[in-house]
Amino acid sequence: DQQVKQNSPSLSVQEGRISILNCDYTNSMFDYFLWYKKYPAEGPTFLISISSIKDKNEDGRFTVFLNKSAKHLSLHIVPSQPGDSAVYFCAGYTSNTGKLIFGQGTTLQVKP
Amino acid sequence: DAGVIQSPRHEVTEMGQEVTLRCKPISGHDYLFWYRQTMMRGLELLIYFNNNVPIDDSGMPEDRFSAKMPNASFSTLKIQPSEPRDSAVYFCASSLGWGIYGYTFGSGTRLTVV
Repeated sequence: DQQVKQNSPSLSVQEGRISILNCDYTNSMFDYFLWYKKYPAEGPTFLISISSIKDKNEDGRFTVFLNKSAKHLSLHIVPSQPGDSAVYFCAGYTSNTGKLIFGQGTTLQVKP
Repeated sequence: DAGVIQSPRHEVTEMGQEVTLRCKPISGHDYLFWYRQTMMRGLELLIYFNNNVPIDDSGMPEDRFSAKMPNASFSTLKIQPSEPRDSAVYFCASSLGWGIYGYTFGSGTRLTVV
């Protein structure tokens, strides 16, 4: 049972353009949603989060949008930079268990 | 702080052999998580501990997998016997309390079973 799904394994964009990474979920009990970024040979690191009661959270070039009715969230990176090239994981978090449930990840390549 | 430390970084073993992965969490963190990364399923939660006690091992794929946390500064994930389908990157993470911002991941152990 894949509670969090990232259906696009990879995405390629030009430097300076917008990157949009998508994520769908099935578990209505998630209290928060998080995005993690992972470089090769390193562990994932926290990027940005959003509470389930919000529909948008912004942090610099990164914005996460949440559509609860569609059980969909997306991460926007504007403008994209070559250093953003990494694997991005979407995750759902339930407060009563403290568990982070991740998706499959999307590999973003930003071309100079 | 040195962060979450995992060893070894790479492990190549033959099918049927026992494999032990090790993790040292950040000092003071009371939660420890073991994840496995595969192409098909992404990052799967295998098991997690709170104050050295296993809380949820529902993600452990089979009885061949076991995990222990004998003290607050050390945890192991053991596979016995190992199989080629166990090949993956295994991550350990620790956190202080439930906090969603508190997960710190190690660099992972890449396991290859031939």
